[in-house]
Amino acid sequence: EDQVTQSPEALRLQEGESSSLNCSYTVSGLRGLFWYRQDPGKGPEFLFTLYSAGEEKEKERLKATLTKKESFLHITAPKPEDSATYLCAVQAGNTGGFKTIFGAGTRLFVKA
Amino acid sequence: GAGVSQSPSNKVTEKGKDVELRCDPISGHTALYWYRQSLGQGLEFLIYFQGNSAPDKSGLPSDRFSAERTGGSVSTLTIQRTQQEDSAVYLCASSLASGTAYNSPLHFGNGTRLTVT
Repeated sequence: EDQVTQSPEALRLQEGESSSLNCSYTVSGLRGLFWYRQDPGKGPEFLFTLYSAGEEKEKERLKATLTKKESFLHITAPKPEDSATYLCAVQAGNTGGFKTIFGAGTRLFVKA
Repeated sequence: GAGVSQSPSNKVTEKGKDVELRCDPISGHTALYWYRQSLGQGLEFLIYFQGNSAPDKSGLPSDRFSAERTGGSVSTLTIQRTQQEDSAVYLCASSLASGTAYNSPLHFGNGTRLTVT
């Protein structure tokens, strides 16, 4: 069965304290791994897509990396406005349509 | 440009009543997804439409749930005989054509918050 597991469930950082969020996955026919940010009361907002092991993407203080079994979202010198829930998702399928499966997310709190 | 639009944004209903939730995807997006998010939880896949193909209904939790997509655009999620455990945020997302090696990300609406009393 396809699965996506994120850790930790919650992470509290001081402003400027760098850290990483983990996303482990077991799927058949991986077509892409996605990171989203979700603010309270809003729908998830797309951050990155990664397609193959070794690939890296960066955006401001965020950097996403991918291996054959997991992805990391590295946050460098976070600011309070980075506080949000970060969701990892995989798109998988061997035929026809491609279902997108989400992890439970990591709630990030950054204190000034 | 316009994003994914969902209506209503909030819905309170009595147990046993039927509800309809509407999703207007981004124009030109052929893939449409419905997810359910309970308080503090991740996104639970419900159903997926891709072009004219038969929808993937594997995530619908019971036969009280159904969805349709008319003309390849607007979608309606219907919940019959609502139960208190149906209370959640229902999120709709759309994306460009799927089925290639490189799939586009999902674009989400802000959801419908359903409360069953």
